[in-house]
Amino acid sequence: GENVEQHPSTLSVQEGDSAVIKCTYSDSASNYFPWYKQELGKGPQLIIDIRSNVGEKKDQRIAVTLNKTAKHFSLHITETQPEDSAVYFCAAVFNTDKLIFGTGTRLQVFP
Amino acid sequence: KAGVTQTPRYLIKTRGQQVTLSCSPISGHRSVSWYQQTPGQGLQFLFEYFSETQRNKGNFPGRFSGRQFSNSRSEMNVSTLELGDSALYLCASSPGRDRDTQYFGPGTRLTVL
Repeated sequence: GENVEQHPSTLSVQEGDSAVIKCTYSDSASNYFPWYKQELGKGPQLIIDIRSNVGEKKDQRIAVTLNKTAKHFSLHITETQPEDSAVYFCAAVFNTDKLIFGTGTRLQVFP
Repeated sequence: KAGVTQTPRYLIKTRGQQVTLSCSPISGHRSVSWYQQTPGQGLQFLFEYFSETQRNKGNFPGRFSGRQFSNSRSEMNVSTLELGDSALYLCASSPGRDRDTQYFGPGTRLTVL
């Protein structure tokens, strides 16, 4: 079936520390894996994405890694800041062309 | 370029009523997808339209329907509302047929009493 598991559900870090969120997906996932950030009262905002022909992608303090053999991908945020506090969702496009989301991780960055 | 807009932002209805939500995609985008977000079920795919045709559908009852107009604007309708339909309904647009790079609107918060 089409399933994306995301861990942890909540994550608290001190400002300046790193945060890592991990996702695994079931078979039949396609080649596109986006990450979204959702702040209170807003819709999800795309922050970074990765395609299966790439193992890692970096954009300033944010990086995503993909291991297609193990069927997992991770979001890494370095030098966290209070404004990074939000709910983060991973997602995967499956062969049915549906974008399926993980259950979300609430990240809290304490000053 | 203006982002995805959704109207109304907030809506309160009672059980048994019906509701219509509207979504205007980013200019030039032809694909519109709808999602339901609840604390218990997370983000769940409802349906997707491309060039006025429903291209994909999630696992929701027939009370949930949608359509897309020639200008790519989309509406979704929920008939015979139930308490469990209370949720944030999100619309996302993308440029073309490929299922990638979806841009979300702020959502419509529907409360069913």
